Amino acid sequence: NAGVTQTPKFQVLKTGQSMTLQCAQDMNHNSMYWYRQDPGMGLRLIYYSASEGTTDKGEVPNGYNVSRLNKREFSLRLESAAPSQTSVYFCASLQARQGHSGNTIYFGEGSWLTVV
Amino acid sequence: AQKITQTQPGMFVQEKEAVTLDCTYDTSDPSYGLFWYKQPSSGEMIFLIYQGSYDQQNATEGRYSLNFQKARKSANLVISASQLGDSAMYFCAMRETNAGKSTFGDGTTLTVKP
Repeated sequence: NAGVTQTPKFQVLKTGQSMTLQCAQDMNHNSMYWYRQDPGMGLRLIYYSASEGTTDKGEVPNGYNVSRLNKREFSLRLESAAPSQTSVYFCASLQARQGHSGNTIYFGEGSWLTVV
Repeated sequence: AQKITQTQPGMFVQEKEAVTLDCTYDTSDPSYGLFWYKQPSSGEMIFLIYQGSYDQQNATEGRYSLNFQKARKSANLVISASQLGDSAMYFCAMRETNAGKSTFGDGTTLTVKP
């Protein structure tokens, strides 16, 4: 049971470099999300994709772009990394269901990104 | 505007006692879901409990229960019989069905004292 898989787990970037965080889920979920978590803080929504073919900005989209490549994959791109983007990034997915059970946001293990 | 508010940055509880973690939310979407997650120091996000906006009964999962007061827009987490392993950061989250987005609060750090 892979669940949500995100790569890489750790990355050090220089200011101005670009990189893409990859995320894939094998649960056939419609909705996928990218969050960032700064030390001691909560999760802030960067971008989300409510369904395949759609993407929308979250709370902190500046400096990021996303691609919902297919139902399984949702990538996050930093075009020109800045030290303020040093954070832990979490990918998540959800298949909303009516009723009490079955509604869970599944998270990847996180990607630790440092921009120097 | 903050969608999810957790007003307790840190909480302490004695082992074996119950503790309530507060969460209030703001939405105009009539259909939404509320979640609680635990994040231990290792960093992974652990799902605890879910409450749908149309659910008539408060959700319970083992030692966790969600005190859902719709009119007050609050969804407090109650942990009964606290254990040392409950020490962690706890996040409240809301998914707005029509918008499709899920947002999190800033979290509450719970410390269980022996």
